[in-house]
Amino acid sequence: NAGVTQTPKFQVLKTGQSMTLQCAQDMNHNSMYWYRQDPGMGLRLIYYSASEGTTDKGEVPNGYNVSRLNKREFSLRLESAAPSQTSVYFCASSLHTGEGYGYTFGSGTRLTVV
Amino acid sequence: QKEVEQDPGPLSVPEGAIVSLNCTYSNSAFQYFMWYRQYSRKGPELLMYTYSSGNKEDGRFTAQVDKSSKYISLFIRDSQPSDSATYLCAMSLYNFNKFYFGSGTKLNVKP
Repeated sequence: NAGVTQTPKFQVLKTGQSMTLQCAQDMNHNSMYWYRQDPGMGLRLIYYSASEGTTDKGEVPNGYNVSRLNKREFSLRLESAAPSQTSVYFCASSLHTGEGYGYTFGSGTRLTVV
Repeated sequence: QKEVEQDPGPLSVPEGAIVSLNCTYSNSAFQYFMWYRQYSRKGPELLMYTYSSGNKEDGRFTAQVDKSSKYISLFIRDSQPSDSATYLCAMSLYNFNKFYFGSGTKLNVKP
């Protein structure tokens, strides 16, 4: 039982390049989330998907797009990477929207934009 | 002003000590309070969850919420080197659509 799987684990991009971060969960959870974690800033919500077919902006959505491909998969796309997007990105899932007691996080993607 | 404030530490204690980790918040409407533990290069994992005010105990861990002071605490008794991690507090409103995380306190328990 893998939980939440994120790929890739590490990535270095040049400014202006694009990439997609992949996330998949095998717990039959309805809701999925993308967070970024920066030193001194805590975890900040980028986008979330309350259920299959819906997506909503979080606290810091600018420069990102998301796709809820199906119930299992939720991807995050950077269309034109900027150094300010250097961060650790975490995907999480829960049975329903919110429900902090049910949050499961992936192990993260460490992204560096040069 | 941040919604949730947390001292980043690091906090270094000897094995067996009682550890106190704290967060303050500004929004009196927060109803749900959580503590996550994050080991180095790993994702956060839920440690404790409380609703509204009061205490909750789970083994060596006790979570306290004081809504009148807008202050939450996590106590770790008989701390172990395996407790060395970053501890994040998080809280949300009743509708749960948005979580507010503290920036985390790094704890080091020395053998």
